[in-house]
Amino acid sequence: DTGVSQDPRHKITKRGQNVTFRCDPISEHNRLYWYRQTLGQGPEFLTYFQNEAQLEKSRLLSDRFSAERPKGSFSTLEIQRTEQGDSAMYLCASSPVGTIGTYEQYFGPGTRLTVT
Amino acid sequence: GDSVTQMEGPVTLSEEAFLTINCTYTATGYPSLFWYVQYPGEGLQLLLKATKADDKGSNKGFEATYRKETTSFHLEKGSVQVSDSAVYFCALRTGANSKLTFGKGITLSVRP
Repeated sequence: DTGVSQDPRHKITKRGQNVTFRCDPISEHNRLYWYRQTLGQGPEFLTYFQNEAQLEKSRLLSDRFSAERPKGSFSTLEIQRTEQGDSAMYLCASSPVGTIGTYEQYFGPGTRLTVT
Repeated sequence: GDSVTQMEGPVTLSEEAFLTINCTYTATGYPSLFWYVQYPGEGLQLLLKATKADDKGSNKGFEATYRKETTSFHLEKGSVQVSDSAVYFCALRTGANSKLTFGKGITLSVRP
């Protein structure tokens, strides 16, 4: 396994611009999660996919946020009209899914977004 | 809703000292409990887990016991090393493969 990868690792953008992040999960992992981590806080859940279906979205995911996983492999997270409060580390995680047991979520290195 | 409370930090210890990091939780169902660690410049890694009451998770000399009666999952290590310096997060999950709920994390610094 090559691990979960995220791109870009850092993004600086001006308020009002749109940004898009990409996550490549571990191959054959059916579930993909997005979390947001602000300074001094633990990660907070945003949304998750099983294959290409988005199964749950947090109330944190305002209508400016959209996530996709079109072919059940990589995922994108887009933020429209960015605000300074969007500055955070955006984490992606993946896990297999099965009928028995609980499976570990493997985290990527994150994308650090700074909105100026 | 589900929540995790960790003791306030940061924590600074000398090498070979005993470590305890407190974690308590509130959950609507029967959660699985986790400790994740984030070393400087690296991503979150699972340190240990426990899926039912009285289970003890252990890894790299760290241990934590799932205490349902006190809704706690405290992390302990008998003798810390400089290489243990990191941020530690307690987390829970209800349901087999649903989202993780994290505490705020605590920074541990170990002095030589």
